[in-house]
Amino acid sequence: GNSVTQMEGPVTLSEEAFLTINCTYTATGYPSLFWYVQYPGEGLQLLLKATKADDKGSNKGFEATYRKETTSFHLEKGSVQVSDSAVYFCAPAGGYSTLTFGKGTMLLVSP
Amino acid sequence: NAGVTQTPKFQVLKTGQSMTLQCAQDMNHEYMSWYRQDPGMGLRLIHYSVGAGITDQGEVPNGYNVSRSTTEDFPLRLLSAAPSQTSVYFCASSSHKKVPVGNEQFFGPGTRLTVL
Repeated sequence: GNSVTQMEGPVTLSEEAFLTINCTYTATGYPSLFWYVQYPGEGLQLLLKATKADDKGSNKGFEATYRKETTSFHLEKGSVQVSDSAVYFCAPAGGYSTLTFGKGTMLLVSP
Repeated sequence: NAGVTQTPKFQVLKTGQSMTLQCAQDMNHEYMSWYRQDPGMGLRLIHYSVGAGITDQGEVPNGYNVSRSTTEDFPLRLLSAAPSQTSVYFCASSSHKKVPVGNEQFFGPGTRLTVL
């Protein structure tokens, strides 16, 4: 089955800093890749996705590029805000669109 | 559209009790899944369904039963609750359209379950 390795958190940044959260995965074939975000006390929301190699997903200033050669899908944002504080999950899709999640990376942004 | 709804939001059980977590979606999605979220573990797949009458086990199915009698509903049953089942449970649904491998899953708000 699929597996995901995400960088350990928490990641602590000051507002307007650059963010990178690393994600590597193992999977059969070339699945769609997703980043989900979970704000405190809430469920999961799709942040961005990429469905094939070299695709770049983007949303709300976040970006991630599907790297087939390195089986990676690193999340980046050029300037984080306090409102970006949340837990971020990387997840490749499996059969019937089920997801294999990483353990999540908590991001804490201070003013 | 309400999307994916779950009830209850919170539940406390005693060891050995049984209960059903409800999940419904109004997006006419074929695929539905249940996940549990534990601290430091991410989310793990319990059971999933690819359509009415069809279910299968995920990574951590022991202690849970599911059924899918309609497209809209996918309840999760705890037969005899144990403290190890204390967790936050999320239901999700997605379209069955294979464009390409893996479609976005839409998540419900979750049920926080404590087993004493």
